[in-house]
Amino acid sequence: GAVVSQHPSWVICKSGTSVKIECRSLDFQATTMFWYRQFPKQSLMLMATSNEGSKATYEQGVEKDKFLINHASLTLSTLTVTSAHPEDSSFYICSGQSGRESDTQYFGPGTRLTVL
Amino acid sequence: GQNIDQPTEMTATEGAIVQINCTYQTSGFNGLFWYQQHAGEAPTFLSYNVLDGLEEKGRFSSFLSRSKGYSYLLLKELQMKDSASYLCAVSDSNYQLIWGAGTKLIIKP
Repeated sequence: GAVVSQHPSWVICKSGTSVKIECRSLDFQATTMFWYRQFPKQSLMLMATSNEGSKATYEQGVEKDKFLINHASLTLSTLTVTSAHPEDSSFYICSGQSGRESDTQYFGPGTRLTVL
Repeated sequence: GQNIDQPTEMTATEGAIVQINCTYQTSGFNGLFWYQQHAGEAPTFLSYNVLDGLEEKGRFSSFLSRSKGYSYLLLKELQMKDSASYLCAVSDSNYQLIWGAGTKLIIKP
């Protein structure tokens, strides 16, 4: 149980384009979903927390107009990187958590974004 | 401030036992998680401790001492596939996960 999928698993795009990443909880309802970014050999960095039906809460330093998050249902959240630039190239990982705040976060397999 | 400390890198031999330590200072405590992350992959859940003591799950065990702000992950009968980074994360008073930088474990034959 507690499986989270992400799509696409990798994407290469040109600078200035937008990229949408989907995160789905397959066998549980994710009341809360988290979006992380991880640069090579660095730790996970939380970008934003989203609760179903509410606006996402962004961490300090993360531009909400650049990283658009939608959590329209209990099983789907999307992250759109708008006007991507090479410095946005990274490993983007989502995680889902069921209703209780103390519940474990289960991670998707991640999406590797390369912006040329 | 909130802080999670764990060693950057450890090396162990196949078949042996290794203990990865994690110390923390956080505003509040609602549990400690251990995750395993292979290179180029997302983290996978290993264990969760919220009460003091040892939790055993197969070859992996996790220990917690809340009074000392200390946890360790114990891996027995090491296999080559255990080569990975091991992440310690603490849930603070707001149930926000505070992540350690991870310990890269290298297993040698």
